[in-house]
Amino acid sequence: NAGVTQTPKFQVLKTGQSMTLQCAQDMNHEYMSWYRQDPGMGLRLIHYSVGAGITDQGEVPNGYNVSRSTTEDFPLRLLSAAPSQTSVYFCASSYRIFETQYFGPGTRLLVL
Amino acid sequence: AQKITQTQPGMFVQEKEAVTLDCTYDTSDPSYGLFWYKQPSSGEMIFLIYQGSYDQQNATEGRYSLNFQKARKSANLVISASQLGDSAMYFCAMREGTDSWGKLQFGAGTQVVVTP
Repeated sequence: NAGVTQTPKFQVLKTGQSMTLQCAQDMNHEYMSWYRQDPGMGLRLIHYSVGAGITDQGEVPNGYNVSRSTTEDFPLRLLSAAPSQTSVYFCASSYRIFETQYFGPGTRLLVL
Repeated sequence: AQKITQTQPGMFVQEKEAVTLDCTYDTSDPSYGLFWYKQPSSGEMIFLIYQGSYDQQNATEGRYSLNFQKARKSANLVISASQLGDSAMYFCAMREGTDSWGKLQFGAGTQVVVTP
């Protein structure tokens, strides 16, 4: 199993650009989530999904969209990048909602 | 209010020694899970160990053990026989059973540096 994979590893965007952060898992996990990690603020939940076709907002959803068309993939879309979205983004998954979450390697995003 | 508190921002430990990382939590939910993750300088978040609120015994995983003191709301991580590769940031996290988002709430982390 590859576990949870994320692409790209690094990305630089200009303000106003859009992009999609990819996340995939091959463990047949129902629950997937996106967090952002900022210095001094820990990890905060952006969006999550409890299964294909079902997504919902977390703590800090503004400026981001998600979809879950398959069990394996959970992309995060930045609609119009802002410098405040400079962060490290982690995708995580677990078999079910209250079980151990396993994280991907992260995507480091810089918005200029 | 801070749900997870890690009071040690950083610590040095000598190779082969044991180290205890402190974590206290705050919840009124009777059902919760406690997790420890390791984040090396490469940036990934690696799951280490889990303790459920109803578990009677302390969790152990290889060199990692969790000292769970429910009444004190404490979930300290013990790393035995430290290795140079244990140098990393360590995060304590909690997931409350009533949280419909299933989100993990993280502490600020403890930076561990293992010296030869």
